[in-house]
Amino acid sequence: QQQVKQSPQSLIVQKGGISIINCAYENTAFDYFPWYQQFPGKGPALLIAIRPDVSEKKEGRFTISFNKSAKQFSLHIMDSQPGDSATYFCAAPLEGSGGFKTIFGAGTRLFVKA
Amino acid sequence: DAGITQSPRYKITETGRQVTLMCHQTWSHSYMFWYRQDLGHGLRLIYYSAAADITDKGEVPDGYVVSRSKTENFPLTLESATRSQTSVYFCASSGGRVYEQYFGPGTRLTVT
Repeated sequence: QQQVKQSPQSLIVQKGGISIINCAYENTAFDYFPWYQQFPGKGPALLIAIRPDVSEKKEGRFTISFNKSAKQFSLHIMDSQPGDSATYFCAAPLEGSGGFKTIFGAGTRLFVKA
Repeated sequence: DAGITQSPRYKITETGRQVTLMCHQTWSHSYMFWYRQDLGHGLRLIYYSAAADITDKGEVPDGYVVSRSKTENFPLTLESATRSQTSVYFCASSGGRVYEQYFGPGTRLTVT
C-alpha cells in the first residue's frame, strides 16, 4: 500500500521561529503535492501546493521545498505565529489512480507558543 | 449559502444499524470524496466520484456504500455500523485540480 510518511507527529515552536514539517513518499502519480491546514473542529483547507518540476514555492510565510531524487517535500513556516497552531497534512496522488485519489500523511500537530 | 455542507454534524448509533451521512455542494464540482479521520491515521479515502453515476473505491471502502445520482449530492451509507467505524467523516469536492479539494465541516459518528 502506497504511503506518505510525515514527521514529526507534533511540534512546538516559539513565536517568530521556523516550523519545519517533512514528508516522504513512495512511487506516485506526479501531479501536485499539496499541504492542507486543519484547525480544531474544522475540515482541512488547502494551504499551498507544489508541482514536481519546481524545487521550491513560496506563498507569504509558507514555503514548500521539493527534493525529487530523495522523494521528499517539506513545509517551512517562517515567523511562526500562534494563529498558525493547527494540524498540517501533506498529500500525494496515488499511483495508478489517474490523479483522482489522494493519499494523506498522518498529520503534524503544530503549537506555536506566544 | 454556497459551499459544501454535511449532515448530521454529530450522530450516535448502535452496532448493526444503517446510517447515512449526507454531503451537498453548491459549486457543481465534478469530483467528490469521502474520507474518515482517525487519530494517527490522518485522512483515509473511502470512496470518490468523478461525476454523477461514476464512483470508485478508495483505501478503506469495506462496510460503506455510496451513490451519486445528482452532481451536488454524495451520500455515504454504513450498511451495518460497527464500532470500528466510529470516526470523523469528511466530504470534499474538487472542480478539476483534484489536489485542490474543498472539505466540509465533518460529521462525528459514534457507534456504540
